Amino acid sequence: AQTVTQSQPEMSVQEAETVTLSCTYDTSESDYYLFWYKQPPSRQMILVIRQEAYKQQNATENRFSVNFQKAAKSFSLKISDSQLGDAAMYFCAYRSAVRGADGLTFGKGTHLIIQP
Amino acid sequence: KAGVTQTPRYLIKTRGQQVTLSCSPISGHRSVSWYQQTPGQGLQFLFEYFSETQRNKGNFPGRFSGRQFSNSRSEMNVSTLELGDSALYLCASKRTGVSSYEQYFGPGTRLTVT
Repeated sequence: AQTVTQSQPEMSVQEAETVTLSCTYDTSESDYYLFWYKQPPSRQMILVIRQEAYKQQNATENRFSVNFQKAAKSFSLKISDSQLGDAAMYFCAYRSAVRGADGLTFGKGTHLIIQP
Repeated sequence: KAGVTQTPRYLIKTRGQQVTLSCSPISGHRSVSWYQQTPGQGLQFLFEYFSETQRNKGNFPGRFSGRQFSNSRSEMNVSTLELGDSALYLCASKRTGVSSYEQYFGPGTRLTVT
């Protein structure tokens, strides 16, 4: 079974600065997808960024980018120019490309605090 | 395009009762998944439906069941509620085919069992 580990229960960053959230995963599969989801206090899960394992290029979405290290099974999220609206729980998630019906496997989450 | 909708948003039930939660996926999305979120266990996969068929189920007891209708709307049912069933239940939908791995979540139903 796949596991996803987020080792930082909570992170704090000053507004406008850069922060990196860590995620490692364990799998024996070679084809899979990785995601970062954001869950603000409203509890609505919002997809932030995705990465296909077969792509070597790191995904980028505006201020959000990932550092995907397949051999190390690491998938960190970098948020540049942090904004107050970035404050939320961030979840790293894994989905098999072969057994897609298994659903997403989530990490325990990182609570991101933005200091004004 | 309207997002995933879930009803009701909040629910309070008593131990031993049963509950039905509803999820309407994004228009055109035929796959619906359900997740349970609790402070202790985090986010856990319940089941996934596609074309009215359950494709997979997570490690949950038989008290948890679901179904999907021909219009892709889905319901999940929990019978004989226990205190530990108190959680946020999230529904997610996705397309099939290209970019079918992206799931979009609804706002959730907060279930409290007393």
